[in-house]
Amino acid sequence: AQTVTQSQPEMSVQEAETVTLSCTYDTSENNYYLFWYKQPPSRQMILVIRQEAYKQQNATENRFSVNFQKAAKSFSLKISDSQLGDTAMYFCAFMTEGAQKLVFGQGTRLTINP
Amino acid sequence: DVKVTQSSRYLVKRTGEKVFLECVQDMDHENMFWYRQDPGLGLRLIYFSYDVKMKEKGDIPEGYSVSREKKERFSLILESASTNQTSMYLCASYSASGTAYEQYFGPGTRLTVT
Repeated sequence: AQTVTQSQPEMSVQEAETVTLSCTYDTSENNYYLFWYKQPPSRQMILVIRQEAYKQQNATENRFSVNFQKAAKSFSLKISDSQLGDTAMYFCAFMTEGAQKLVFGQGTRLTINP
Repeated sequence: DVKVTQSSRYLVKRTGEKVFLECVQDMDHENMFWYRQDPGLGLRLIYFSYDVKMKEKGDIPEGYSVSREKKERFSLILESASTNQTSMYLCASYSASGTAYEQYFGPGTRLTVT
């Protein structure tokens, strides 16, 4: 069974700093997708960034980028120039290609301090 | 924009009551999901549906059932609510023909069973 592990339950940084959230996963599949979702306080969960396993290039979306290490089964999220609005729960998630289900990690509560 | 709505943001029920949580999406997505979110456990899949009247068990289906009579609506039913079902319930949907498996989430229903 696929599993996703986020080893950092909580993190806290100062505004404008760079922060990296860790995620590891376990699978025997070769084709899959990885996601980072953000859940702001009392607001809906939204997709931050997505990575296809067959792509070697790391995905980036503005201040958000990933470090995808397929051999190590690692998928970390880097937030540059952090902003107060980045305060949220962040979930790493995994889906095998052709499957219909996402497998989520435990989440990391990130607080950006002014 | 995709919109996923849930019938209630907050719900308080008594032990033994039958509880209905409803989810509606407006983007003609064929796949819909019910998750349960608990601190330290991330999101766990209860049930999902890949078509009208079709359903499959997720990782924690015990004590729950679902109904999907129309494509846009997916209901979660707690036949006899118990205190250990106090949790945040999230609905999500996506289309396999859409943008690489991105799931769209509703705002969540925080259910308290007393």
